[in-house]
Amino acid sequence: IAGITQAPTSQILAAGRRMTLRCTQDMRHNAMYWYRQDLGLGLRLIHYSNTAGTTGKGEVPDGYSVSRANTDDFPLTLASAVPSQTSVYFCASSVQGGFTDTQYFGPGTRLTVL
Amino acid sequence: AQSVSQHNHHVILSEAASLELGCNYSYGGTVNLFWYVQYPGQHLQLLLKYFSGDPLVKGIKGFEAEFIKSKFSFNLRKPSVQWSDTAEYFCAVTSNSGYSTLTFGKGTMLLVSP
Repeated sequence: IAGITQAPTSQILAAGRRMTLRCTQDMRHNAMYWYRQDLGLGLRLIHYSNTAGTTGKGEVPDGYSVSRANTDDFPLTLASAVPSQTSVYFCASSVQGGFTDTQYFGPGTRLTVL
Repeated sequence: AQSVSQHNHHVILSEAASLELGCNYSYGGTVNLFWYVQYPGQHLQLLLKYFSGDPLVKGIKGFEAEFIKSKFSFNLRKPSVQWSDTAEYFCAVTSNSGYSTLTFGKGTMLLVSP
């Protein structure tokens, strides 16, 4: 069982380009999340989905979009990347999305926007 | 809205020293509290969590945390640290305010010197 996989591991991207970060989980968890991690700021929630077909905005959603076509996949898209989106992006999942859930994290994608 | 404050951004200890990392949260309702650890170059892993019951929670690798409701605190402790405990530690909280998401503190970087 792999848990959560993310791709790519790292990416350097020119500003203005479109980029999709992939996240797949094999635990059949209903809820999935995208965070960005920045030095001194901890992890901040970008978007979440508590079940396939639904998504919600987190603390820092601007410039990002997500979709949840099925249970396993939760891609994060940057429509037109900007340097302030340089960060490490973590995908996570939990069983139901309720407040007693434990979230499990993927290995992360390091994105640099030049 | 809930928030989490971690007292120290950086902590440096020698091996065998005792560790206490401070964490305070702000939310007046029912909360669940977590400590996650991120070893260098790795993704976040759950150290321990508190949902209810005994306020002293024991986690992996000899870590424990005590929930003190009156102080809105959930400090992480370890009696004797090892070099392998060098990592960044994140306190996080969820609450029962509707659909709950995980709010992280900004993290504490622990460096243990051999």
